[in-house]
Order: sequence, then structure tokens, then C-alpha cells
Amino acid sequence: KQEVTQIPAALSVPEGENLVLNCSFTDSAIYNLQWFRQDPGKGLTSLLLIQSSQREQTSGRLNASLDKSSGRSTLYIAASQPGDSATYLCAVINYGQNFVFGPGTRLSVLP
Amino acid sequence: DTGVSQDPRHKITKRGQNVTFRCDPISEHNRLYWYRQTLGQGPEFLTYFQNEAQLEKSRLLSDRFSAERPKGSFSTLEIQRTEQGDSAMYLCASSFKQVNYGYTFGSGTRLTVV
Repeated sequence: KQEVTQIPAALSVPEGENLVLNCSFTDSAIYNLQWFRQDPGKGLTSLLLIQSSQREQTSGRLNASLDKSSGRSTLYIAASQPGDSATYLCAVINYGQNFVFGPGTRLSVLP
Repeated sequence: DTGVSQDPRHKITKRGQNVTFRCDPISEHNRLYWYRQTLGQGPEFLTYFQNEAQLEKSRLLSDRFSAERPKGSFSTLEIQRTEQGDSAMYLCASSFKQVNYGYTFGSGTRLTVV
């Protein structure tokens, strides 16, 4: 059974810092991995999708990497801003199954 | 088509009442998913449809829960005889059959059972 963990559970940083969020999964036979952002009481917004054949994806100040063999992904946020404050969720999908989500990392960027 | 729509956004109901939520997926997507999210946790899979066929149901989906997608377009999720433990955010997502394109989620329906 696929299990996904995220470290840290919560993070508070001053504005302008670069930061890394970590995601680990137990079954490396994944089809793809997707990072989402969730604002309080809201739905999920897709940030980056990494297919199993890819090693990283970039969008603006965000960069996500994937190491299938070690069961890890990282989300790098450059030059953090208060508007980046949200919960960041990692989700993986195995062949023939559905997305399994991690518990999320709650990020606060202080002005 | 602006994305996945869910209605209502919020629902407060008394314990024992029935509730129904609606999800309108992206029109080109033939897969539709329901997830449930409790406070401080990641979403948990409930069920999914490919067109009108319900292909998988989680063990989380008790007999009080039923989902339909009658014409392969919108879907409804009904909870009968609601319990306080049903209080959660119910999220709908849609995707192409080729899931390598990822999921698109709606804004969710927050259910509070009092």
C-alpha cells in the first residue's frame, strides 16, 4: 500500500528566503507525482506535475524534482513571498490506482 | 469551461439528515473522482467514475454514501443519515483517462454536521 509523508509538517520563514519542502513515498512504481497548493478552506490548485520519466519541472519560482528510486520529491520555492503562505500537498499515483496524498506542509511566509 | 465546479460550497445539516453534493467536471475529462479531506489531513480517495461507470470505491465509502454519474457528465454524492464524523471537505476532481496529465480539483464542498 502506497504511503506518502511530508516533512516538515509546518514551516515559518521570513519573506525572501528560499525553501525546500520534502515528500517521500514508499512504493517507487509511480505513474506521476503532482504538487498542489491549498489555501485555508479552499480546494486544491495544481502547481507542478512530474511524470515518472521526468526528473524535474519548473514553473516561475517553483521547481519540483523527482527521484523515483529513492522515493523522494522536493518542492523548491525561491524568494518566498507572503502570498506563498498555504498548505502544500504532494500526491502520487501508481499504475492502475488513484492519487495518494501526503498530509501536507503548512507554510507561513512572514512579511 | 472554467474548471471543475462544486455545489454547494458550504452545507450545514443536522445529524440524521440526508445531503447531496454536485460536481461538474471539465467537459473534456472522462474521469471524475471524489475525495474527502478532514482538518489537517491530506485528501482521501472515495470513488471514481470513467464516463458513467463507477470503477472503484474505497472502503471509506460506507453504505450510507452513494455516488452517481448518470450521463457521464456531472456527478452527485449523497450521504444518508449523516453523522458528525461525516463533517469534512468533499473534493471533486476530473482528469483525462490518461492520468499522466494529472488531476484538476474543484473548490470543494465543506460539510458540517451538527
